[in-house]
Amino acid sequence: GAGVSQSPSNKVTEKGKDVELRCDPISGHTALYWYRQSLGQGLEFLIYFQGNSAPDKSGLPSDRFSAERTGGSVSTLTIQRTQQEDSAVYLCASSLARTRQETVSYGYTFGSGTRLTVV
Amino acid sequence: AQSVTQLGSHVSVSEGALVLLRCNYSSSVPPYLFWYVQYPNQGLQLLLKYTSAATLVKGINGFEAEFKKSETSFHLTKPSAHMSDAAEYFCAVSDLSGKLIFGQGTELSVKP
Repeated sequence: GAGVSQSPSNKVTEKGKDVELRCDPISGHTALYWYRQSLGQGLEFLIYFQGNSAPDKSGLPSDRFSAERTGGSVSTLTIQRTQQEDSAVYLCASSLARTRQETVSYGYTFGSGTRLTVV
Repeated sequence: AQSVTQLGSHVSVSEGALVLLRCNYSSSVPPYLFWYVQYPNQGLQLLLKYTSAATLVKGINGFEAEFKKSETSFHLTKPSAHMSDAAEYFCAVSDLSGKLIFGQGTELSVKP
């Protein structure tokens, strides 16, 4: 597609429920990143995919968070047993970079994010 | 470890006035530095980046930033603010690993 597409744009869920957030990267972009933007804080790195594999999962805050990517394209971030502190905007970005180092040159394209509210 | 500090979570300027958004970084290796802008309900867009070439970097929409190693700073400036510049601005640092570390963001308001 023309840009990085994220769905849903807004999600309200009850505490304890599971949620799935979807990211459709730009066609041909092999690198994909998930970030979390909490109120009053900067962007927090969650996970990095190159193709279908995730060489860096170091930012996932707990084992309630997981992500997968299939076909080198769509990625899904799953949060199990949601807590109120999970409320944030979840941003996805993709890049043409074939290695993480190349992202300095190629840069990222960000989606508009999913605003998650846990009540 | 790398880090970024943006001084001032909110900056307000009048239309036509100078915009100055401050960013200081910490890095044990020569850094790559970036400024991103986020308009309401949109993703981040790259304004400009420093990758060890010229220390004065020009970006889109009339913005520029100067890398000052002695001050570990990468402040963002624009000579004359427009109403359309109102947005949140993020400074970020990266090393050769490509991992981006973002600052907490500065919300810019432009008064008529």
